[in-house]
Amino acid sequence: DTGVSQDPRHKITKRGQNVTFRCDPISEHNRLYWYRQTLGQGPEFLTYFQNEAQLEKSRLLSDRFSAERPKGSFSTLEIQRTEQGDSAMYLCASSLQGLDYGYTFGSGTRLTVV
Amino acid sequence: AQSVSQHNHHVILSEAASLELGCNYSYGGTVNLFWYVQYPGQHLQLLLKYFSGDPLVKGIKGFEAEFIKSKFSFNLRKPSVQWSDTAEYFCAVRNTGNQFYFGTGTSLTVIP
Repeated sequence: DTGVSQDPRHKITKRGQNVTFRCDPISEHNRLYWYRQTLGQGPEFLTYFQNEAQLEKSRLLSDRFSAERPKGSFSTLEIQRTEQGDSAMYLCASSLQGLDYGYTFGSGTRLTVV
Repeated sequence: AQSVSQHNHHVILSEAASLELGCNYSYGGTVNLFWYVQYPGQHLQLLLKYFSGDPLVKGIKGFEAEFIKSKFSFNLRKPSVQWSDTAEYFCAVRNTGNQFYFGTGTSLTVIP
């Protein structure tokens, strides 16, 4: 168990560019979550997967955001036509199915849009 | 909509002082309650959680929290803080839909 891995750790991009982040969850965890955290705020839910199925999406997830988990293992989060307001820490977490389990968070990808 | 309120945004304590961080949530149904800690430069880590049973739960590093249903509160406590407790603390609520709602966090600075 190597924990939840996120790549890259930091990403600086110009406004209007597309970016993609990757998350590798704990191998036996079938649930995977994406959160966004801005300075001075707690993490805000974006979306989550159970295996390869995307079960819920937040209203925060505009049409420019898309997430996939094609084989039920790693996940990618893509932001198209980035805006300065997208600058944030993007957190991935994973868990086992069931309400008795908490999340294990990754270290996050810090996105800066200039 | 559900919300989680953490009233203390920034707390500064001397070592050995006692700590209590407030957390209130708004949700009338069954909830699970959590406290997460984020040390400088590190990822969020689970401190403790409450699902059911004894409303006083003990977590790692000497932390504990008490669930008071009538007050919709889940305050975090530690009798004697250490410099190494300097971190950001987040209260979180999870509803039956398995979605977490986090508070805005409390930044704790412990002065040696």
